[in-house]
This record gives sequence, structure tokens and C-alpha cells, in this order.
Amino acid sequence: EAQVTQNPRYLITVTGKKLTVTCSQNMNHEYMSWYRQDPGLGLRQIYYSMNVEVTDKGDVPEGYKVSRKEKRNFPLILESPSPNQTSLYFCASSLGGAGGRIGPRPEQFFGPGTRLTVL
Amino acid sequence: AQKVTQAQTEISVVEKEDVTLDCVYETRDTTYYLFWYKQPPSGELVFLIRRNSFDEQNEISGRYSWNFQKSTSSFNFTITASQVVDSAVYFCALSGINNAGNMLTFGGGTRLMVKP
Repeated sequence: EAQVTQNPRYLITVTGKKLTVTCSQNMNHEYMSWYRQDPGLGLRQIYYSMNVEVTDKGDVPEGYKVSRKEKRNFPLILESPSPNQTSLYFCASSLGGAGGRIGPRPEQFFGPGTRLTVL
Repeated sequence: AQKVTQAQTEISVVEKEDVTLDCVYETRDTTYYLFWYKQPPSGELVFLIRRNSFDEQNEISGRYSWNFQKSTSSFNFTITASQVVDSAVYFCALSGINNAGNMLTFGGGTRLMVKP
């Protein structure tokens, strides 16, 4: 089954304790992104990757790191989590981008979400 | 800058009623893509449809239909004969051809409640 998976689905942690949220897709998609969803602020992009070893900042990258060593995986790293990073996080992937070399395949497929609470 | 506005924050209907969710967007890109996503109470985001700016043909998929009007910058979503399972938050989103990283700009969402 074609899907985007995230782990863990729920996480409660304390300020300053490094954590990683994993994301994996089995659709051979080039683009991957991380979004966070907050009440009143909606969905905002944190980081994106257009291919292996190609990553860049989205709208709200402060406090996060990512890596793309393999095409299928795109982990989100919080080196020193703080309470303002309490949020619902989504990983997403798409075959291409709006202007990508593959042609317009910009629809993004989302993982199930990770609800993170930082105390 | 891009912007997506979903003016209806919440809609409540009775089962079998038709309902239209409004979406208005702003972009300077001449080529762009519009999307609808569904977020049921379980929380996941489900892709429903993509529409290209250069294709104004309306689309119907079962009980769902979409009306794209470039002249009014709108991309409205109609559910015919609504069902309780349609209860969810629906997001309209936009991505321009020049968007780095294929970033989606989301509207604020419309919460649809379908009562039996």
C-alpha cells in the first residue's frame, strides 16, 4: 500500500531532551516536507527536501533540523525541544513539485501525524 | 505572497443536504495549483483533488464536485447528499509554480458537521 508513515504517533517529552520523528514513504517520491499544525495558525511548512541531500527551510524552521540521506526517509530532529514546539506534525511527500523536472505532480500525500507535547 | 481564504469556519447541515465550501485565493503566479484536503476527526490529512490553473474544467467525483473560476479566484467544493462520514475539516490549499519546495499555502479550514 502506497503510504507515508511517521513514528511515533504520540510523544510527550521534556524541554531540552533531543528527539527525532521519523518519516518514510514508499512511493519513490522526490519531494518531502514537514509541516506543523497549530490552532489559529493553520498548517505551516517547516522544512522541505527536493531530493537526496537537498534540503531547505520552509516558513518556520527555527528549532528544527532535517536530513535526507535516502530517498524514502526524511526525519525531523528537535535538538532541544521547547514548549512552543508542542504541535501536530505532518510529514508529506509528492512525486514532483509545481515546477519540478518531473512535471507537475505537486499533490502532496500526508502521513498520519505526530502529536508532540513538550513539557 | 499567496493567500487562501475559507470564510466559512464552521458549517452544520443535516444528512442528505447539499453543501458548498468556499475557497478564495490570491497569487501572483500565472501558473499555480489548487487542492482540497480533508481532515477527519482521526486527524490525518487526505488529499481529495488537484486543479491546475490552466485547466478550468470542473470536476465531479461521485458526490463531490469542484467549481474552479479563475475570473473570481475561487475554487469551491460541493458535497451532494451529505453523509455523516463527511464530517471533517476541509482545507483548500495553493501552490505556485515558483514555490520553493512545493510549499502549500493552506486556508484556515472549514469544519463541516453533518447531523443524522
